[in-house]
Amino acid sequence: AQSVAQPEDQVNVAEGNPLTVKCTYSVSGNPYLFWYVQYPNRGLQFLLKYITGDNLVKGSYGFEAEFNKSQTSFHLKKPSALVSDSALYFCAVRDINQAGTALIFGKGTTLSVSS
Amino acid sequence: NAGVTQTPKFQVLKTGQSMTLQCAQDMNHEYMSWYRQDPGMGLRLIHYSVGAGITDQGEVPNGYNVSRSTTEDFPLRLLSAAPSQTSVYFCASSYLTLSGANVLTFGAGSRLTVL
Repeated sequence: AQSVAQPEDQVNVAEGNPLTVKCTYSVSGNPYLFWYVQYPNRGLQFLLKYITGDNLVKGSYGFEAEFNKSQTSFHLKKPSALVSDSALYFCAVRDINQAGTALIFGKGTTLSVSS
Repeated sequence: NAGVTQTPKFQVLKTGQSMTLQCAQDMNHEYMSWYRQDPGMGLRLIHYSVGAGITDQGEVPNGYNVSRSTTEDFPLRLLSAAPSQTSVYFCASSYLTLSGANVLTFGAGSRLTVL
């Protein structure tokens, strides 16, 4: 079965500092990995995805994520945080060998960026 | 282009009442799904569909019914509402690619309270 773990309920960083939101996954085969962001009272928005190829994936709003197969991780990063990055972030996974199945989400990590 | 439209945005029910949450998309997406979002639980998949006439259960299907008579619509039915179904519900859709790397488009959510 597919699963995703986001070990931190909340991450606090100061504006201008680098940020990392952690994600680990479990699939029987190879993964497709996604990050979504949810701003207050809104639906989720797509940030970036890893399919294959370069382990460093660049996405929207200056975010990037690094795929590490040996550690089964897909951590979200940004070199310099903005207050406007404060939101709820979700990691999600799908097994490549189960293309017709649904995306499984983690529990989410609240990012709080202080000025 | 409206994207994914969910109605109603807010609903209060009494225990035992029935209701339908509506979801419609105008992007000709084959894949549609329903998630519920609860504090500390993240997003959990209720039901999904890979095309008209085809539905399948997700992680938490009990107490919910779905049908997919058209490509555009994927209603979620609560036959006898329970307080445990108090949640925010999100509908999401995407193209169904052979690779499985499809990106979900989310609706704005429907907040349901069951008294």
